[in-house]
Amino acid sequence: EDQLVESGGGLVQPGRSLRLSCVASAFTFDDYAMHWVRQAPGKGLEWVSGISWNSGSIGYAGSVKGRFTISRDNAKNSLYLQMNSLRVEDTALYYCAKVRMVGAATDAFDIWGQGTMVTVSS
Amino acid sequence: QSALTQPASVSGSPGQSITISCTGINSDIRDSNYVSWYQQRPGKVPKVVIFEVSDRPSGVSNRFSGSKSGNTASLTISGLQAEDEAHYYCSTYTTSSTYVLFGGGTKLTVL
Repeated sequence: EDQLVESGGGLVQPGRSLRLSCVASAFTFDDYAMHWVRQAPGKGLEWVSGISWNSGSIGYAGSVKGRFTISRDNAKNSLYLQMNSLRVEDTALYYCAKVRMVGAATDAFDIWGQGTMVTVSS
Repeated sequence: QSALTQPASVSGSPGQSITISCTGINSDIRDSNYVSWYQQRPGKVPKVVIFEVSDRPSGVSNRFSGSKSGNTASLTISGLQAEDEAHYYCSTYTTSSTYVLFGGGTKLTVL
């Protein structure tokens, strides 16, 4: 069964950094674009960032552009999100998600991890 | 503020049909054949129920259907069941770029 497992969340002070990881299993990771989606407590889904299968296409939401960096290591079946200059409003459950279609930079997300919680607070 | 507008809540009785709308602020939906809908039950991970405007993933009930007219997409759930109670989110994207818009979400209550 296709699976995604996130890690790296935690409590961090405003202005500090955190790196999230997502490890994939049971599917050919380097065939698919991957994305990060977050959900603040009691709020809706917010797309954060996406990366194509070969890292050739990368995008960010305006709210994180310039502060967050997405990357992937296909040899390790892993997706990353480097989060710098964290703000209180970045507090959320961060999901990694796999796109449905091989080769597409973006598509419907058919597999989601369970999420890793990031809390930004002093 | 989400770029895609959804009603905050809808409700229906078991057996009835409901429709959730999703309207783009720009021509996001009008210009895209890629609209998807996600169901998120309380405490659970989102699950795609519709992709490419009207296609259903394997395993999703045919009670779920999607459509689009102009700059508005719609999700219709027929024969409402208690298990359909959840939040529903629309999203739009293009397969050639890594950029996604989500709607603000709609809470469906089955009375």
